[in-house]
Amino acid sequence: EAAVTQSPRNKVTVTGGNVTLSCRQTNSHNYMYWYRQDTGHGLRLIHYSYGAGNLQIGDVPDGYKATRTTQEDFFLLLELASPSQTSLYFCASSGGQGNNQAPLFGEGTRLSVL
Amino acid sequence: GEQVEQRPPHLSVREGDSAVITCTYTDPNSYYFFWYKQEPGASLQLLMKVFSSTEINEGQGFTVLLNKKDKRLSLNLTAAHPGDSAAYFCAVSAPGGYKVVFGSGTRLLVSP
Repeated sequence: EAAVTQSPRNKVTVTGGNVTLSCRQTNSHNYMYWYRQDTGHGLRLIHYSYGAGNLQIGDVPDGYKATRTTQEDFFLLLELASPSQTSLYFCASSGGQGNNQAPLFGEGTRLSVL
Repeated sequence: GEQVEQRPPHLSVREGDSAVITCTYTDPNSYYFFWYKQEPGASLQLLMKVFSSTEINEGQGFTVLLNKKDKRLSLNLTAAHPGDSAAYFCAVSAPGGYKVVFGSGTRLLVSP
C-alpha cells in the first residue's frame, strides 16, 4: 500500500541543537515536500524536491536544509534549532501530474525546541 | 509567487445546515486545485481534486466549485453533520515546478 512514513513522530531538543527529520515514501512518486503547520498559518512549504539530488526552495526555508538522497527518502535538517522552529512538520509526496498531482501526507512529526 | 487566501478561519454551524469555505488565489496559470480534511490530531486526507476548468465536483455530501475567471475555489457542505467537524484546507498547484501552496485553513464545528 502506498505510504509516506515520517520519523520520529515526536522530538524534543534544546536551542542550538541538531535535528534531522526523516521521510520515506513507497508511492514511486517523483515529488516530495516538507511543510510546517502552525496555528493561523496553515501549511507553509519549507523545501521540496522532484528527484534524487534535487532541491527546491519553498516559502519559509530560513534555518532549514533538506536532502533527497534517493527517490524514496527526503530529510529535513535543523542544524541550529531555535524555539521559533517548534511546530508540526509534515512530509508529503506526489506524482506531479494529472491524477497523481495531489500530495499524499505522512502522519507528521511534532518538534519542540526548548 | 502564488498566494492563497482562505476564509473564514472559523465556522460554526448546526447539524443539517450548509457550510461554505472559500479560497482565492493569485496566479491565473494555476492548474490543479485540492481540498483536504484534517481531523484533530491527525494528518491531512485528500477530500477532492479539481483540474483546470470551471466545474463542479460532487462528493459525499459536498460540492466543489472552481471559477478560474475569478480565481476562486469553494467547498460547500450541503447538510453538515457532527462528523464533518475538522479543519479544511485548500491547496493550489502553481505552474512550473509542481509547488503546492496551501491556504491557512478553516476550522469547522458542526453541533447537533
